[in-house]
Amino acid sequence: EAGVTQFPSHSVIEKGQTVTLRCDPISGHDNLYWYRRVMGKEIKFLLHFVKESKQDESGMPNNRFLAERTGGTYSTLKVQPAELEDSGVYFCASSQDRGLGNTIYFGEGSWLTVV
Amino acid sequence: QKEVEQNSGPLSVPEGAIASLNCTYSDRGSQSFFWYRQYSGKSPELIMSIYSNGDKEDGRFTAQLNKASQYVSLLIRDSQPSDSATYLCAVVRDTGRRALTFGSGTRLQVQP
Repeated sequence: EAGVTQFPSHSVIEKGQTVTLRCDPISGHDNLYWYRRVMGKEIKFLLHFVKESKQDESGMPNNRFLAERTGGTYSTLKVQPAELEDSGVYFCASSQDRGLGNTIYFGEGSWLTVV
Repeated sequence: QKEVEQNSGPLSVPEGAIASLNCTYSDRGSQSFFWYRQYSGKSPELIMSIYSNGDKEDGRFTAQLNKASQYVSLLIRDSQPSDSATYLCAVVRDTGRRALTFGSGTRLQVQP
């Protein structure tokens, strides 16, 4: 069974440009999460989808970030316009349901460098 | 004060020894607790979860939770060089949300 896959694995863009990150969750997982780790900091929650609905977007830093999950399958996270402080690794994760015992599986991350 | 605190390390132990990793959290209402292992450049991988006070054992790993003292620990027995990684403590603060709050991680080095 394929795990959580993310694309691109690495991206270098200039300040002011747009980047779109894609996440394909494990097949059948209704819950999809985005997290990010900026340099020197801990991994922080961004948002949570249940199917195509945003369940919790309390971690989104500002309106330059837009996440979508059309059709409840894959998700995209767009940063527009990118700023230097957006550099870091963006993790996507998925789980089958929301129960406490349900394992959340992480992808290997999309590394974003804004120059 | 950080919501989840971990010593960044590195924690260095000899092969075969017990590695003890500690984590404290600030929100007394936190409900569930997780330890993730992350190799460099790889995804965090769940290795233990614990929800009630006491010990939970799984193979060479034992998670310990003390809600009164607001700490959770991970013991790794018979440490192997392959255990060398960053160990992330994560907490779910509110059962209404599933967001994980992570510590910054402790880097473990197991010396052969």
